Amino acid sequence: EPEVTQTPSHQVTQMGQEVILRCVPISNHLYFYWYRQILGQKVEFLVSFYNNEISEKSEIFDDQFSVERPDGSNFTLKIRSTKLEDSAMYFCASSGQGVQPQHFGDGTRLSIL
Amino acid sequence: QQQVKQSPQSLIVQKGGISIINCAYENTAFDYFPWYQQFPGKGPALLIAIRPDVSEKKEGRFTISFNKSAKQFSLHIMDSQPGDSATYFCAASKAGAQKLVFGQGTRLTINP
Repeated sequence: EPEVTQTPSHQVTQMGQEVILRCVPISNHLYFYWYRQILGQKVEFLVSFYNNEISEKSEIFDDQFSVERPDGSNFTLKIRSTKLEDSAMYFCASSGQGVQPQHFGDGTRLSIL
Repeated sequence: QQQVKQSPQSLIVQKGGISIINCAYENTAFDYFPWYQQFPGKGPALLIAIRPDVSEKKEGRFTISFNKSAKQFSLHIMDSQPGDSATYFCAASKAGAQKLVFGQGTRLTINP
């Protein structure tokens, strides 16, 4: 069964550094998403991406964050100047023609020191 | 209004019993209600989903019950098994919107 893959599984970064989280969505999917889950809390929407542009974003997704689809297969989340509170699990998801259902990857655990 | 409230936070059920997890929402614009199952170290995996034009949907041992007037929906797991032990999230989204709004999650433990 096709799946969303994310790399790395764990990223440790010094506060203030930039980090790029990578995702390979399911190949024929059109919508791409990033969510995050702070330890012990609920999954929160960050951003959705369709047709090479951001289609929806949350208040969490400020100027510190950016997304990109640099080629036909990868989807990346960049966090500039990381803060301690950015420590969380970051999940990539994708969906096909009908927006729902969304299929999630296994996440990247981001630890900011 | 964007929230989805989920209860209980944790649940322990004996093997073979029925597990019931509840969610409530305020925003009547929500029209898609999925349940996700998450095992430790893994991402949420879609379990079952419902739209408000039906009151119940069943897939194997998993059933969603939906009460539109009460703005509540619930997940029932029949004949619960130890392999069902996981965290379960309800979620909701609005028509045409991409964002999923998640509940807080329920950690389910099935005792053998």
